[in-house]
Amino acid sequence: ETGVTQTPRHLVMGMTNKKSLKCEQHLGHNAMYWYKQSAKKPLELMFVYNFKEQTENNSVPSRFSPECPNSSHLFLHLHTLQPEDSALYLCASSQDQGVPTGELFFGEGSRLTVL
Amino acid sequence: GDSVTQMEGPVTLSEEAFLTINCTYTATGYPSLFWYVQYPGEGLQLLLKATKADDKGSNKGFEATYRKETTSFHLEKGSVQVSDSAVYFCALSVYNFNKFYFGSGTKLNVKP
Repeated sequence: ETGVTQTPRHLVMGMTNKKSLKCEQHLGHNAMYWYKQSAKKPLELMFVYNFKEQTENNSVPSRFSPECPNSSHLFLHLHTLQPEDSALYLCASSQDQGVPTGELFFGEGSRLTVL
Repeated sequence: GDSVTQMEGPVTLSEEAFLTINCTYTATGYPSLFWYVQYPGEGLQLLLKATKADDKGSNKGFEATYRKETTSFHLEKGSVQVSDSAVYFCALSVYNFNKFYFGSGTKLNVKP
């Protein structure tokens, strides 16, 4: 139990569907991240939120839409995805106040399959 | 740009064998370096870290030394166990901790 919870753990969707991934952290952290993990590729940073403000958008296609209503919750809204978007999507959080430790706390991931 | 390169896997070892997983980095500033581990069905978790040159990070029998002259941060363990089977990721962070660069991961299989 890392203190970061992701739901759903598995999601299968068609290319015309709209779905959302949810992430919640119980650690009191102020920074939250979305990463994409594909086989044999480096982890790809997608979005970073700091105190609910988006501070990083790593050239992610607009079919991925993040939302951060507060420092504890992060969503990734998905629409009109492509089969190549199938991957494990990882949420992470970190403490960015005071002396940062540099440690990311990851959730277990949401395995997405796009048909 | 900043990046991390680590050896491709999978790496298959017998229990009690010596482990080395190579990691080299490219960075414009003075990075902090990390090893993360991902056990089957789980997210990544921090294994060890080093924040400046010549620092040695260590945890659970694993260790890695920050070598600025060779821009490397190789992961080592003297005697691996079956429970060490996992995917290991090398990572760096420069200037601030809001941006981490990860390698592609190295899968380790340890056989009894």
